[in-house]
Amino acid sequence: QVRLQESGPGLVKPSQTLSLTCTVSGGSVNSGDYYWNWIRQQPGQGLEWIGYIYSSGATYYNPSLQSQVSISADTSKNHFSLRLPSVTAADTALYFCARGRGWYNALDIWGQGTMVTVSS
Amino acid sequence: DIQMTQSPSSLSASVGDRVTITCRASQTIYTYLNWYQQKLGQAPKLLIYAASSLQSGVPSRFSASGSETDFTLTISSLQPEDFATYYCQQTYSGRTFGQGTKVDIK
Repeated sequence: QVRLQESGPGLVKPSQTLSLTCTVSGGSVNSGDYYWNWIRQQPGQGLEWIGYIYSSGATYYNPSLQSQVSISADTSKNHFSLRLPSVTAADTALYFCARGRGWYNALDIWGQGTMVTVSS
Repeated sequence: DIQMTQSPSSLSASVGDRVTITCRASQTIYTYLNWYQQKLGQAPKLLIYAASSLQSGVPSRFSASGSETDFTLTISSLQPEDFATYYCQQTYSGRTFGQGTKVDIK
């Protein structure tokens, strides 16, 4: 059974870099037809897709964030990571990692989410 | 960018009601449309993928249809555990969520 678990600092100062990791258990980030996604949800708001890294290592980002965000994978640790530099209060959100399956990249397995607050 | 518009934004319904939620894409997305349910304080859960395919383990009272730009999610007989927020998501070009539809108790 595949499980995802987000980890990272809950508080980040403005202008600093937000870094989160999603550890995958029960599966491998570099095998199969899977996309490893990051999604966020600002307080009281809807879902915003941030980007994904495919099992081959290819990445694809939300165009509204593309110039800033990066997603990478560490196959030795079987996790993938999100890096968002120069954060502002608008980046305060609940961050989820999720596995996307197949051609439709349906997000079938989600982590529980980790709350990140941007504040000095 | 493809925009996804859900309607209504919220609705009140009773247990046993038939509920329909609509999702409209700003351009054709064929059947690259998924539906999710999110309960308060939880991660979203996949209900439907490829516009009409029921995810394994999801009750059959959930169904969905549509193609190109217009899609619907239907709950045939609302159960207490179905009170939640529902999101559509297109995966044809980029990945965009609708703004959500909150289903609460009448």
